[in-house]
Order: sequence, then C-alpha cells, then structure tokens
Amino acid sequence: GAVVSQHPSWVICKSGTSVKIECRSLDFQATTMFWYRQFPKQSLMLMATSNEGSKATYEQGVEKDKFLINHASLTLSTLTVTSAHPEDSSFYICSAPGAGRTGELFFGEGSRLTVL
Amino acid sequence: KQEVTQIPAALSVPEGENLVLNCSFTDSAIYNLQWFRQDPGKGLTSLLLIQSSQREQTSGRLNASLDKSSGRSTLYIAASQPGDSATYLCAVPGSNDYKLSFGAGTTVTVRA
Repeated sequence: GAVVSQHPSWVICKSGTSVKIECRSLDFQATTMFWYRQFPKQSLMLMATSNEGSKATYEQGVEKDKFLINHASLTLSTLTVTSAHPEDSSFYICSAPGAGRTGELFFGEGSRLTVL
Repeated sequence: KQEVTQIPAALSVPEGENLVLNCSFTDSAIYNLQWFRQDPGKGLTSLLLIQSSQREQTSGRLNASLDKSSGRSTLYIAASQPGDSATYLCAVPGSNDYKLSFGAGTTVTVRA
C-alpha cells in the first residue's frame, strides 16, 4: 500500500510559539491531503483539505489563520500551528488518497503536539 | 450529514475467541467503507476497503461485510491474538470527495 509519513512524531513547545508538521507521500503523488485532529479517547475530526497549488479548504469551526496549511508539491503538505496554546495540544494526523481510483485513504503515523 | 456509530465501544476477550465489531452509518449512499486499526499514540493502518458494489472483503483472519441498504458493516477477526489489541475504526467518505466520517471506534483487548 501507499506510504504516508509525518514529521515530527511528537513535539513539545512553549505557548505562543509556532510549530510546523510535515506530511509526505513517499511513493506516490497526492494532489490532495487531509489533516485530522484527534483528542484523547475520541475519534478523528477533519480539520482541512490541503490542495496542491491552491488554498486549503477548512471545515467549519477551524481557524484558517491558526492552522496554516501549505501544499507546495505533489508529495508534501505542511500544517503550521501558529501562536500555539495549551488547548491546541492534540494528535494531528494527515492522510492522502492512494494511487488509482479505489478511494482508499492512507494515513501518516501522527504527530503529538504538547503546548506548555 | 453522515453519522457513523460503532458498537461496542470496548471489547475484552480471551485469546482464540472470534471478534465481531459493528459499524453503522446513516447515509447509505456511500462509495466505500474502510476499516482501520489504531494502536495507542499511533496513526491509522488501513485494514480493509469495501467498495459499495461489494458485500465483503477478506484479508487473512479479517473479514468485513457491507450491507449498504441497512447501513451496516461488520468486521470479523477470527482466532484473536493479543497482538490484535487496538482500537478499530470504520469510516465512510463523503458523497463527492474523500473526506472521511469516522466512528468513535471499538477498543479491543485480547487477553493472553
């Protein structure tokens, strides 16, 4: 299956700083990637759709100025949490549709953000 | 808006027992349904993808069935092992895109 890689797998930062998380499709190209957020013992909630070469589309209630998404190439999307606060602490996971038209989505390993 | 429900929320069984995990969805107009496994603190591993035209998919000890008309899917895991302990999530995409709606998951514990 297709491989999606995230980096870093975990990060701790001070309140007020910005953190960048990378999502890469390793063996396929992805014009679209999705960013999810997961709180402890809860399921995944879609935050935004990252589109290569154009602006990301955000789900209702997600602040686009808070969560900056850049999809600069066909294999890389980045999520930047700006001016992070403790309530932004969460598990962030990206995904991408695999090659072909099966509709299968592949997920990264996730990035655990802790804001002190 | 698609709503996905998974029952039970948690399941604990002795090793060797078969597992039955249920998933239901409110909008039956789906393209496919995907089952995932998530280990604590990890990302999601795709287990099975069932297309809307299919009734079941099998991979090793895993078998997933799909009944679109009733809005249900069931994941069967045969002869469970302690290594099967994880949270299992089902998800369905939107009608026009890949956006997935997830169930809350079933957390499985297989006791040695």
